[in-house]
Amino acid sequence: NAGVTQTPKFQVLKTGQSMTLQCAQDMNHNSMYWYRQDPGMGLRLIYYSASEGTTDKGEVPNGYNVSRLNKREFSLRLESAAPSQTSVYFCAGGTAGNQPQHFGDGTRLSIL
Amino acid sequence: QKEVEQNSGPLSVPEGAIASLNCTYSDRGSQSFFWYRQYSGKSPELIMSIYSNGDKEDGRFTAQLNKASQYVSLLIRDSQPSDSATYLCAASNSGAGSYQLTFGKGTKLSVIP
Repeated sequence: NAGVTQTPKFQVLKTGQSMTLQCAQDMNHNSMYWYRQDPGMGLRLIYYSASEGTTDKGEVPNGYNVSRLNKREFSLRLESAAPSQTSVYFCAGGTAGNQPQHFGDGTRLSIL
Repeated sequence: QKEVEQNSGPLSVPEGAIASLNCTYSDRGSQSFFWYRQYSGKSPELIMSIYSNGDKEDGRFTAQLNKASQYVSLLIRDSQPSDSATYLCAASNSGAGSYQLTFGKGTKLSVIP
């Protein structure tokens, strides 16, 4: 059982480049989430999808877009990467707001 | 702005002692509370869930919830060096944002052999 799978695990980009972070889950989660984690800042929600076909902004959505491709997959896109987006990105899945979320292994992204 | 507050630590305890981690939350409508353990360089891993007032025990871990005081705690008995990690407290949101969890910034625990 893979759980929540993120690809890639590591990436280095140059300022202005674009890329898509992929997330897939096989836990039958209705809801999926993208967070970033920076030292001293904790987990900050970027975007989430409460159910297939819906997406909503979180706390720090600027500079990002998302796509809920189907129930299993939720991607995060950086259209024009900036050094401030250097971070560790986590995807998570959950069944409902009152239930826990389960995290993928993360993507470590550096933007030069 | 919904908030979950934790002492950042580090909290240092000797091996075999009880580690006590605390958390307060601002959303009085929160119904569910979770503790995650995060090793350095790894992702958060769910270790405890608690939904009603009182204590919930799972092995060496006990979660405690007091909704009147808006307070959640995690006790780790017989602490081991392998328990050294950052512990994140999370609370479910009520009302707007009800599909979200609010996370604290975490308490770093160090268990000294």
